[in-house]
Amino acid sequence: QKEVEQDPGPLSVPEGAIVSLNCTYSNSAFQYFMWYRQYSRKGPELLMYTYSSGNKEDGRFTAQVDKSSKYISLFIRDSQPSDSATYLCAPRNNAGNMLTFGGGTRLMVKP
Amino acid sequence: ETGVTQSPTHLIKTRGQQVTLRCSSQSGHNTVSWYQQALGQGPQFIFQYYREEENGRGNFPPRFSGLQFPNYSSELNVNALELDDSALYLCASSPPGDEKLFFGSGTQLSVL
Repeated sequence: QKEVEQDPGPLSVPEGAIVSLNCTYSNSAFQYFMWYRQYSRKGPELLMYTYSSGNKEDGRFTAQVDKSSKYISLFIRDSQPSDSATYLCAPRNNAGNMLTFGGGTRLMVKP
Repeated sequence: ETGVTQSPTHLIKTRGQQVTLRCSSQSGHNTVSWYQQALGQGPQFIFQYYREEENGRGNFPPRFSGLQFPNYSSELNVNALELDDSALYLCASSPPGDEKLFFGSGTQLSVL
């Protein structure tokens, strides 16, 4: 079993839809939770960063962490075609900057 | 402010050869990490450098080695290339005391 699991998709939604992207993880030591967006042939771009459990909102994006169930979510409101990309969750523990990435979920937003 | 830059962008090598990939960290960032991303997979941690010393290593064999220079730029060296080394190699830098990693666009390595 991988430490971080994501549904690979692809997830296809119409423009304007609310998108829910999810990760599960197994390592209880994870304290920081990041979401990266990766366009084709580009490096990952940091989208959201959360410490411990709770919610964090930034514009159309909301990150949610439930440490009791080891479940991480990213919600995208009013999705746009420019949101079409692969979304990677990446938790880490307190020691160092090593991120453990999920396999990524490919999102397609159709106009 | 320039971001993380990597060179070359693409590289083709044959099995058994050696390769060196280069990374210039973002201005003010003193920690550099390298990740390997196979097609359709998430990035996997190779190692991290801080103050020119290796400061953490993932599950990669010793033929993967690195360097960090006084200006915080970095190199990733891979010896005795294998077909499975074909991947996108990503460099990421972090500012002092910050948990966030900022990635370059990567070097696409193909081993034939």
